[in-house]
Amino acid sequence: GIQVEQSPPDLILQEGANSTLRCNFSDSVNNLQWFHQNPWGQLINLFYIPSGTKQNGRLSATTVATERYSLLYISSSQTTDSGVYFCAVFMIYNQGGKLIFGQGTELSVKP
Amino acid sequence: EAQVTQNPRYLITVTGKKLTVTCSQNMNHEYMSWYRQDPGLGLRQIYYSMNVEVTDKGDVPEGYKVSRKEKRNFPLILESPSPNQTSLYFCASSLFGQGRGGYTFGSGTRLTVV
Repeated sequence: GIQVEQSPPDLILQEGANSTLRCNFSDSVNNLQWFHQNPWGQLINLFYIPSGTKQNGRLSATTVATERYSLLYISSSQTTDSGVYFCAVFMIYNQGGKLIFGQGTELSVKP
Repeated sequence: EAQVTQNPRYLITVTGKKLTVTCSQNMNHEYMSWYRQDPGLGLRQIYYSMNVEVTDKGDVPEGYKVSRKEKRNFPLILESPSPNQTSLYFCASSLFGQGRGGYTFGSGTRLTVV
């Protein structure tokens, strides 16, 4: 099956700093999503980005499908950015399939 | 507002007492699924549904039942809950199957079985 690996596993930032999170996947995919799990446990959809670059405020993401990686950029980080960031790809099996999640990057932004 | 609504958000129950976690989406999505999240094990799919009356098992279906009688609703039923079903549960939906278009997740249900 598809393997999804994220790096780094943990990251501590001072408020205002920038960061780059990486997601590598082992097989060709035609879909990829980034999620933020906040300290209350909610999974928030950040980007659906099978290829190319997207931006939403201080966050942006780039997926290079041919090289099997995606990057999530967080600029001018805020304490509310703290939590765990997951990337996920969809694996088809039977007539359906499932999301395969990476192990996550736990981000802590200090004031 | 387009969303996936789960209820309840928190639930403490006793072993063997049947319970249902509801999931409803207002986006006319065809594809819905249930995941559980456990420390060290990540998110694992329990069941999924590709449309009304079409459901199939995921990775960890034992001890769970689902039904899809209407497009918008996909309840998760625990007929006889056990402590190993203590977990954080998520319902998700997608307009298309096979991952296209991305998934929207509900806010989660934190279940404790004592």
